[in-house]
Amino acid sequence: EAEVAQSPRYKITEKSQAVAFWCDPISGHATLYWYRQILGQGPELLVQFQDESVVDDSQLPKDRFSAERLKGVDSTLKIQPAELGDSAMYLCASSYKSTGANVLTFGAGSRLTVL
Amino acid sequence: AQTVTQSQPEMSVQEAETVTLSCTYDTSESDYYLFWYKQPPSRQMILVIRQEAYKQQNATENRFSVNFQKAAKSFSLKISDSQLGDAAMYFCAYRRWEYGNKLVFGAGTILRVKS
Repeated sequence: EAEVAQSPRYKITEKSQAVAFWCDPISGHATLYWYRQILGQGPELLVQFQDESVVDDSQLPKDRFSAERLKGVDSTLKIQPAELGDSAMYLCASSYKSTGANVLTFGAGSRLTVL
Repeated sequence: AQTVTQSQPEMSVQEAETVTLSCTYDTSESDYYLFWYKQPPSRQMILVIRQEAYKQQNATENRFSVNFQKAAKSFSLKISDSQLGDAAMYFCAYRRWEYGNKLVFGAGTILRVKS
């Protein structure tokens, strides 16, 4: 069964350092999402791509976060500099299209701890 | 903006018994989709069940069924014959029908299954 791949699974870093997460969606999925899930809360969308274009990044803290999907396939989410409040699970998901009926398939996530 | 509310932070059920998880949502849209996702400990989020708002018939998937009350904006999940493997965090989520719209999650309900 096709999966969304994410790496690293776990990352511990000190505040002010840079950190990057990588996501490889299911082949053929045009829409890619990055969600942030703080412990005990529901996921919140950070950025949504349609192919290589950003569709929604309204909740992305753009002073420190950046995301790219250069060739419309895999994607990288970067945080620089990391802050204590960035400790969370970063989830990547993909779907065939971005209309409401299309189901999102999630990766296992990247858990970030900022010390 | 659409919001999703899960009023039960935690629920417990005895193995083989039935449990219902509650969800309410707020929207002014008439066409949308509702989802229940399951997130087991340290594992990826997976889709449990999906409901199209234009369908009056409640969705069912094996032991999982929903009670969709559109006028009341309520979308509860019933798990019958609960199994130990059902223990997880359950998220209710909403998505508008249109292109490019994000999945909005509730805060989640932790389900514990007792043997």
